Amino acid sequence: KAGVTQTPRYLIKTRGQQVTLSCSPISGHRSVSWYQQTPGQGLQFLFEYFSETQRNKGNFPGRFSGRQFSNSRSEMNVSTLELGDSALYLCASSGTVDYGYTFGSGTRLTVV
Amino acid sequence: AQSVSQHNHHVILSEAASLELGCNYSYGGTVNLFWYVQYPGQHLQLLLKYFSGDPLVKGIKGFEAEFIKSKFSFNLRKPSVQWSDTAEYFCAVSNTGNQFYFGTGTSLTVIP
Repeated sequence: KAGVTQTPRYLIKTRGQQVTLSCSPISGHRSVSWYQQTPGQGLQFLFEYFSETQRNKGNFPGRFSGRQFSNSRSEMNVSTLELGDSALYLCASSGTVDYGYTFGSGTRLTVV
Repeated sequence: AQSVSQHNHHVILSEAASLELGCNYSYGGTVNLFWYVQYPGQHLQLLLKYFSGDPLVKGIKGFEAEFIKSKFSFNLRKPSVQWSDTAEYFCAVSNTGNQFYFGTGTSLTVIP
């Protein structure tokens, strides 16, 4: 079966702009989570969606938001971009918590 | 909140050496435990998982991990590493709320 698909793979944005990242989970997976990965901070949890509802939220400012559609696809939006938002943004989907996540390849966001 | 500690930030080994990467977590309730690996330029992949039963779990590529509940630990081991094991390794813990907590990662470099 197809894996987790994230688009786009790379993005370059300027400070103050906003950006939307997309994630298509594995077919049948209803839970989608987003993480920010940076060399210094490792993987930091942004939020998790399940059946179109945000079920868990990490400790990020309100500029980071997300949503999930009825087909389980998810989008993440970052408004008013800052240089520190440059990172690899990972999406992961899960069928059940016992089986762990399947990660996408990520979207590399560079803010200049 | 939960925390996951990976004590070794960067490990350098020669081929055929034995490997043990430490992982400790803070949550006292029922947990599911995972190790993920990220090879250079690739996405995160599940190496092994524990959610019940035998506390010694075997994963792919000869890796294994032992869950020691009394020590809140889930250390990753491999008796003989190969150059191809060079990667970043992440320990993760999830609770029944389907939220995953990741350690900051351990970078392993294997010298041929």
